[in-house]
This record gives sequence, C-alpha cells and structure tokens, in this order.
Amino acid sequence: EAGVTQFPSHSVIEKGQTVTLRCDPISGHDNLYWYRRVMGKEIKFLLHFVKESKQDESGMPNNRFLAERTGGTYSTLKVQPAELEDSGVYFCASSPSGSEQFFGPGTRLTVL
Amino acid sequence: AQTVTQSQPEMSVQEAETVTLSCTYDTSESNYYLFWYKQPPSRQMILVIRQEAYKQQNATENRFSVNFQKAAKSFSLKISDSQLGDTAMYFCASDLEAGSYQLTFGKGTKLSVIP
Repeated sequence: EAGVTQFPSHSVIEKGQTVTLRCDPISGHDNLYWYRRVMGKEIKFLLHFVKESKQDESGMPNNRFLAERTGGTYSTLKVQPAELEDSGVYFCASSPSGSEQFFGPGTRLTVL
Repeated sequence: AQTVTQSQPEMSVQEAETVTLSCTYDTSESNYYLFWYKQPPSRQMILVIRQEAYKQQNATENRFSVNFQKAAKSFSLKISDSQLGDTAMYFCASDLEAGSYQLTFGKGTKLSVIP
C-alpha cells in the first residue's frame, strides 16, 4: 500500500511569489491534515479535511494560505504571496478515522 | 491551549543499551491518545507507539515501551537494546484539543545511537 506522498520535496522561491504544495493521502483515507514545522519550533497543526470539507482550519496562520481538497482525494496548499516567515517544512498526514495519522515526507519550503 | 513538552533536545545512547525519552503534557480532557513518532534522517515520520488515555496498561511494541502516568501527565518512551537504526528525531504528540483530531506536538528529541 502506497503511503502519503508530497510534492515537491523541496521548493525555493522569492518573497512575494506563489507556491503550491500537493499531498496525496493514502487511498481510502477520508481525513487529511496539514502541519508545519518552522525551524527550531514545534510541528504545528494547520487544518483538517474530512473528504472535501474543511473540518478544522483553526491553525491556518492568515489568508495568504489557501487549502483545497477537490473531490476528496489529493489536497493542495497554496501560499500567496509567500513571506520569509513561511519557510519551514510542511507535512501532510492522512487517517481513516480520528486517531492514528500517517505522515508524508514533508515539503521543505525556503522563501528568500 | 494544550501543550506537550519534551525537555530533552538531544540524547545519545550506546548501541544495545536502554534509553528513556521524556514527555509531559497539559490537558483538561479525560479521553485522548498519546503518540510517539520517529523521524529518521530520511525525513519520513512514522508512528512508533500509541497509548489510549483510558487504558491503564502501558503500551509495548517490540523494543519500544511507554511509561504512562496519567495523574502526572507523563508519557515517556523507553527504547531497549538500542540499534543504530533508532537514530532519529522523536516527537511526542497527542490529540489534546477537545472536539478536534489535530495533534499537538512537542519540540522533539534528537536521539543518536553510538556504535
């Protein structure tokens, strides 16, 4: 069974540009989560989808971040325009139910 | 906000020895899950072990076991017979927020197993 995949693995962009991160959850997992780890700090929750609906987006930092999960399969997280403080590793996770979450390898975002 | 604290940023252990990683948390909830995740240098984070708060028996997975003290809000991970492949960042996490499945993480402990 394929695990959670994320693309790209690493992205380097200039401040003010737009970046879109993609996450493909494990097939059949209705729950999809985005997390972020800024250098030296804890991994922080961003949001939670159940199928295509946003169940909890309390962790989204501001309106420069837009997450979508059209059709309830893969998800994208767009940052527009990117700022320096957006640099970090963005993790996606999926789960069939509410407990155990399976994580992807992460996307390392560097904003210059 | 609920919190998870890992007070050991880095630890090292000799191969074949035993090491214990500490984790404490703060919550007013009575039902929750606690997890230990491992992130090797290759970056994929994997679940090592989980504990349901209402279960008194400590969880065990092969060489990995936990010491769960609910009253003290402590959840330590013991790794027995440490192997080189255990070298990784270890994150303690829990779904402490009422009505939410989001995980709250500690800052992590970087464990190095020395040959």
